[in-house]
Amino acid sequence: DVQLLDSGGGLVQPGGSLRLSCAASGFTFIDFGMHWVRQAPGKGLEWVSSISGSGDDTYYADSVKGRFTISRENSKNVLYLQMNSLRAEDTALYYCARLDNNAFDIWGQGTMVTVSS
Amino acid sequence: QSVLTQPPSASGTPGQRVTVSCSGSTSNIGIKTVSWYQQLPGMAPKIIIYNTNRRPSGVPDRFSGSKSGTSASLAISGLQSEDGADYFCAAWDDSLDGYVFGTGTKVTVL
Repeated sequence: DVQLLDSGGGLVQPGGSLRLSCAASGFTFIDFGMHWVRQAPGKGLEWVSSISGSGDDTYYADSVKGRFTISRENSKNVLYLQMNSLRAEDTALYYCARLDNNAFDIWGQGTMVTVSS
Repeated sequence: QSVLTQPPSASGTPGQRVTVSCSGSTSNIGIKTVSWYQQLPGMAPKIIIYNTNRRPSGVPDRFSGSKSGTSASLAISGLQSEDGADYFCAAWDDSLDGYVFGTGTKVTVL
């Protein structure tokens, strides 16, 4: 089965850091660009970041640029999101998603990040 | 921020046809393909339309997508009770160098 499993969320103080992970299985990981999408409680979806299959190309939403870093370890089929200088407005459910045919065809179950003192 | 605008809500009775619009610009919908996602409460989004008008395997053919200029639409014909959910559109934006999502539409089956 094609599957993404998000993990690493939790409660962190403003200014703190957290690293999210997304374990992929059931497909050839290096063949696909991967993305992080977040959803604040009761709100809509917001694209956060993306990385190409090789890891050479990365993109970020303006809201996280300079604070978040996306990376991947293709030998382990894992996607990461390093989040630094966290703010209250970063509180959200974070999903990893696979991109295929210009669409997010597979989603993880989400991992919750809460930024609060 | 959401760059694609959707109506907050839409509704219909079982069997009716419901349409959800998604308004963008020349840097996204005007030049890129659109995808649509269904999100049930407490669940991750699920893809229902890709490349503007293609349905993934397993998605009922009562769901269809289209685009005209800088706007896209999702149509649900023969509305069923299980179609009650939030729906989001998405597209790549060349100006922002990133994906943008719609504001979301809650579809209610009366």
